[in-house]
Amino acid sequence: EIVMTQSPATLSVSPGERATLSCRASQSVRSNLAWYQQKPGQAPRLLIYGASTRATGVPARFSGSGSGTEFTLTISSLQSEDFAAYYCQQYNNWPPYTFGQGTKLEIK
Amino acid sequence: QITLKESGPTLVKPTQTLTLTCTFSGFSLSTSGVSVGWIRQPPGKALEWLALIFWDDDRRYSPSLKNRLTITKDTSKNQVVLSMTNMDPVDTATYYCAHTTDYFASGSYFDPWGQGTLVTVSS
Repeated sequence: EIVMTQSPATLSVSPGERATLSCRASQSVRSNLAWYQQKPGQAPRLLIYGASTRATGVPARFSGSGSGTEFTLTISSLQSEDFAAYYCQQYNNWPPYTFGQGTKLEIK
Repeated sequence: QITLKESGPTLVKPTQTLTLTCTFSGFSLSTSGVSVGWIRQPPGKALEWLALIFWDDDRRYSPSLKNRLTITKDTSKNQVVLSMTNMDPVDTATYYCAHTTDYFASGSYFDPWGQGTLVTVSS
């Protein structure tokens, strides 16, 4: 089973600033990685797939990068609605699909 | 527009079997490449994938829960059903179903997700 490790667990950033979230895989997942955003009381929403492709309707301030075992989600200029939890998911080697433990992005 | 919605009991007793239904619209589970998965999330914790069923009735399960899970589909009703036996308090979680497209069973992401249903396991 591939273990996904996200860091940091909590990230405090001011609105308008850049946020950088990391996700590491225990073995290569090539570019088969997705990022999800989850707001309190809501279901996860797909942001990025294929490590760097934005899903339909996702603002351009969200970008994904990386391949192999190291991945990054960058939010270029934080808006109030971006403060949420973010999860990565690998879909290269399954079953099982595995998710990271999440990063909570909070307002500084 | 694709939508999914989970339904089922909100409270089950330990050792009971949980049965959840995912009712969807905007796609057909008889279409090549389409699949529906189940994912759960204990309160305040991370997401855990449980099971997935393909358009051709191929089924995949989490290895750690395989002995307790059964996933089935009713294409005519646009529904997917997940059963989990021998429920325990640690199974308390929000259970989500989600759509995915995966033509060769090589792996995919989930989009979109249902709103989720909270299931509490307690006597």
